[in-house]
Amino acid sequence: EVQLVESGGGLVQPGGSLRLSCAASGFTFSNFWMRWVRQAPGEGLEWVANIKQDGSEKNYVDSVRGRFTISRDNAKNSLYLQMDSLRAEDTALYYCAREGVPRASDYWGQGTLVTVSS
Amino acid sequence: QSALTQPPSASGSPGQSVTISCTGTSSDVGGYNYVSWYQQHPGKAPKLLIYEVSKRPSGVPDRFSGSKSGNTASLTVSGLQADDEADYYCSSYSGSNNPYVFGTGTEVTV
Repeated sequence: EVQLVESGGGLVQPGGSLRLSCAASGFTFSNFWMRWVRQAPGEGLEWVANIKQDGSEKNYVDSVRGRFTISRDNAKNSLYLQMDSLRAEDTALYYCAREGVPRASDYWGQGTLVTVSS
Repeated sequence: QSALTQPPSASGSPGQSVTISCTGTSSDVGGYNYVSWYQQHPGKAPKLLIYEVSKRPSGVPDRFSGSKSGNTASLTVSGLQADDEADYYCSSYSGSNNPYVFGTGTEVTV
């Protein structure tokens, strides 16, 4: 059974940093692109970043480029999102998802909540 | 990269059909056959319903169907059931610096 379990969310002050993790199981992690998608409270979905199977290609939405870094450790079946210079508008539930079909996410975790507030 | 435009809400009676539109541009919806649709129940993670415009993952009922014409994609839910009451989001590949964009979301009431 495919499972994605996010962790690392919490309350952080503006300008602070946080590192999210996503533990994958039930599939060959190294075979798939992976992505982070976020959802602000009461709002819609926003694609944040994705990373190629071997980590050689990474893409970011404009609003986080230069502040967030996506990475992965295939030996540990884990996906990460390093978030620096956090802003109030980064407050959201962050989902980890697998790109198991072309250009779409077939499995999602339950999300980890990031709150940026003083 | 602007969000794709969806109607805020849609509704139908049990057994009826509802169609949700998703309007983008020639740089996203109109330019690629990589439109996907997701269903999200309150407090739950999104679930993939449709990918590559009209393909269904295994386990998704054929009551859910997708199509595209020009810069607008559509999701049709036939034979509405109570459990179809949820938020629905489209998404498209845009092949740019921001390769993926989601729609604004549609709340479906049964």
